Order: sequence, then C-alpha cells, then structure tokens
Amino acid sequence: KNEVEQSPQNLTAQEGEFITINCSYSVGISALHWLQQHPGGGIVSLFMLSSGKKKHGRLIATINIQEKHSSLHITASHPRDSAVYICAVLMYSGGGADGLTFGKGTHLIIQP
Amino acid sequence: DVKVTQSSRYLVKRTGEKVFLECVQDMDHENMFWYRQDPGLGLRLIYFSYDVKMKEKGDIPEGYSVSREKKERFSLILESASTNQTSMYLCASRLVNEQFFGPGTRLTVL
Repeated sequence: KNEVEQSPQNLTAQEGEFITINCSYSVGISALHWLQQHPGGGIVSLFMLSSGKKKHGRLIATINIQEKHSSLHITASHPRDSAVYICAVLMYSGGGADGLTFGKGTHLIIQP
Repeated sequence: DVKVTQSSRYLVKRTGEKVFLECVQDMDHENMFWYRQDPGLGLRLIYFSYDVKMKEKGDIPEGYSVSREKKERFSLILESASTNQTSMYLCASRLVNEQFFGPGTRLTVL
C-alpha cells in the first residue's frame, strides 16, 4: 500500500518568507498532484507532475522520481496563501480508475 | 474551462433521511470519484465509476451507494443518513492522470 507523508503538518510564517512543503511516498507513481484548499472552501489543483519541475506565478513544484519525493515552494509568501496544501499521488495502474492516495495536508498560515 | 459542479455547497439533513449528492462534469470524462474529507483523516475514497452504470467501491463505501446513469453525472446516495456521515463531500473527475475537483458539499446530519 502506498503511504504519502507530508511535512510539516502545520507551518506559520511571516509575509514575504520562502515556504517549502514536502511530500514523500513509498511506491512507484504515475503522477503527483499538489492541491490547495482555503478555509471552508473546495479543492483547487495547483500542479500535476510526473517529472521535473513546474512553476506558476510564485508557486514552484518539483519532483524527484528516484527519491520518491516532491516539494512545493512558495516565494514571497502572502496572507492569501494561507490554506491547507495537500499532496496526492496516483499509483501506476493499467486502468487508471483507481483513486488518488492523499497526504494528510499541511496547514499553512502566513501572518502579515 | 474545466468544470465539476456539485448540487449544494451546504446541506443539513436529519438522521434517517435519504440524501442525494449530485455531481456534474462537462468534460466528457469517463472516470468520476466521490471522497469525504474529515479533520485528521484527510480525504478518503468512497466510490468511483469508470463508465456509465459502472461503479467500484473505494476505501469506505459502507453506508453509501452511487448512481451513474449518464456520463456527466455521478450521484452519491446516503440511504439512511447518520450523524457520523457529517462531513465535507468532494466529487472529482479525471482525464488520464489529471484530476479535477468540485467545490465540495458540507453535509451536516442532525
């Protein structure tokens, strides 16, 4: 069974700080998602990765397939980045109908 | 633009009621999923469907059933709602490896 571990579980930082959230998993995967959920809100998909690195605005996501590890970075953090960030992995499967395995999430608070 | 919609953002029901949660996607995706999200437990898969009229149990199907009569619509049914089914319910659809989530329905069972 694939386990997905995220760290840290909770993170409080000051506005402007560089933020890193980590995700490790235990078996081979076909894709990894980084998801964002604001308090009381639905889930928004930030990135889908199968290799390398992606960037969108102040957000950067990287994945190292050999080390089974991914990181989500936020540059110049802002209070509006305060949310829960969830890592989710899609295991190798022929049919593609399996659900994702989710991490427990990282609760990020950016203070002004 | 990709869109997954859910019929209600907030829902309050009484114990024993039959509850329908509806999810619609406009992307012609074959795969659709229902999850529930609880503090400390994260997201857990209830049921999924890979085609019309096809369904598979996820990790926590007890107390739930689903219906997929049309490709775009995937319904979650609570036959007799109980207080331990109070939760946030999220629908999703998938194309290949990319998952798209709906806004969620926060269900409270009194």
